[in-house]
Amino acid sequence: GNSVTQMEGPVTLSEEAFLTINCTYTATGYPSLFWYVQYPGEGLQLLLKATKADDKGSNKGFEATYRKETTSFHLEKGSVQVSDSAVYFCALTNNDMRFGAGTRLTVKP
Amino acid sequence: DTAVSQTPKYLVTQMGNDKSIKCEQNLGHDTMYWYKQDSKKFLKIMFSYNNKELIINETVPNRFSPKSPDKAHLNLHINSLELGDSAVYFCASSQEPSAKGETQYFGPGTRLLVL
Repeated sequence: GNSVTQMEGPVTLSEEAFLTINCTYTATGYPSLFWYVQYPGEGLQLLLKATKADDKGSNKGFEATYRKETTSFHLEKGSVQVSDSAVYFCALTNNDMRFGAGTRLTVKP
Repeated sequence: DTAVSQTPKYLVTQMGNDKSIKCEQNLGHDTMYWYKQDSKKFLKIMFSYNNKELIINETVPNRFSPKSPDKAHLNLHINSLELGDSAVYFCASSQEPSAKGETQYFGPGTRLLVL
């Protein structure tokens, strides 16, 4: 079946540090891949997505590239800000929808 | 305008009670979902409706019953509440059911605490 595995948190970084949150998936065929972000006290919202291999999704300085050869969709940002503190979810759709367990990011000034 | 709204935002109740959570979306989407998020932030899909018809029904106790009076609404009724039902419940919607590339739009969540 379909599944998503993302790195366990929590992740704590200083402002302006480089961020990587790893995400790998298991699926048949060609799923679409997503990163959602959940700010404190709010619902999830789409951060970025990619619908086919080698696509790069980007938004708000975050990027992730759909790598079919490694079944990965790692989230990166070159310089994090305090306002990026949130929980990040990797997800896929492939006739159903699966979410990773979430990674809590805390950015300190 | 709020795209996906839920009421109530907070719900505190006693064990054994029956309660309902309401969800409405004004995006014109055909598909709606209910998710449960536990204290560790793990998100699990419970139900999905497409055009008022149930299409996903994960392993959920039958104390939980979704009802979709129309495409824009998906309510969740919970009978005989238990301590383990305490969680945040999210409603979401998308244009099509979990199809390739579909983005889901989430409501703000309902924080349920069963005492």
